[in-house]
Amino acid sequence: GAGVSQSPSNKVTEKGKDVELRCDPISGHTALYWYRQSLGQGLEFLIYFQGNSAPDKSGLPSDRFSAERTGGSVSTLTIQRTQQEDSAVYLCASYVQGGSGANVLTFGAGSRLTVL
Amino acid sequence: GQNIDQPTEMTATEGAIVQINCTYQTSGFNGLFWYQQHAGEAPTFLSYNVLDGLEEKGRFSSFLSRSKGYSYLLLKELQMKDSASYLCAVSPPILTGGGNKLTFGTGTQLKVEL
Repeated sequence: GAGVSQSPSNKVTEKGKDVELRCDPISGHTALYWYRQSLGQGLEFLIYFQGNSAPDKSGLPSDRFSAERTGGSVSTLTIQRTQQEDSAVYLCASYVQGGSGANVLTFGAGSRLTVL
Repeated sequence: GQNIDQPTEMTATEGAIVQINCTYQTSGFNGLFWYQQHAGEAPTFLSYNVLDGLEEKGRFSSFLSRSKGYSYLLLKELQMKDSASYLCAVSPPILTGGGNKLTFGTGTQLKVEL
């Protein structure tokens, strides 16, 4: 697609439920990142995919969080047994080699998760 | 560790010039990005600096001093639409294997007033 697409744009769930957030990156982008943005906080790195493998999962806050990527394209971030502190905007980004040598991340608009 | 500091909020007048500063202390450094984020929208790329000096791009310019761990974003001829959050982000050395895993500051919320 023309940009990074994320769904749902908004999700309200009850504490203890599982949620899945989807990211559809720019076609042909091999690298994909998940970040979390909480109110008043900077973007917090969660996980990075190169193709279908995840060389860096260091930002996942607990074992309730997992992510996968299939076919080198769509990625799903799953949060099990959601807690109120999981409420945040979850941003996905994919990676393009810039003309200036910069490797520019292109972000989606995010999925806003609210855990009641 | 990584530490990136930028002011939380700034206010400026339409037509004026504003400078948003960013200081960083990181365990590794390759380059520095600036992104703009309007409320409820995706962060969008503004600039990238890897060498010391000023990069100019229309109304926006970005400066980097690697020795001082300092960058700024300069916005000229401010327009109301420039009201947004401006995010400073550091990229790691290429050989760390983290791809382009950016570390972000908390962002500076700029309000442009008439």
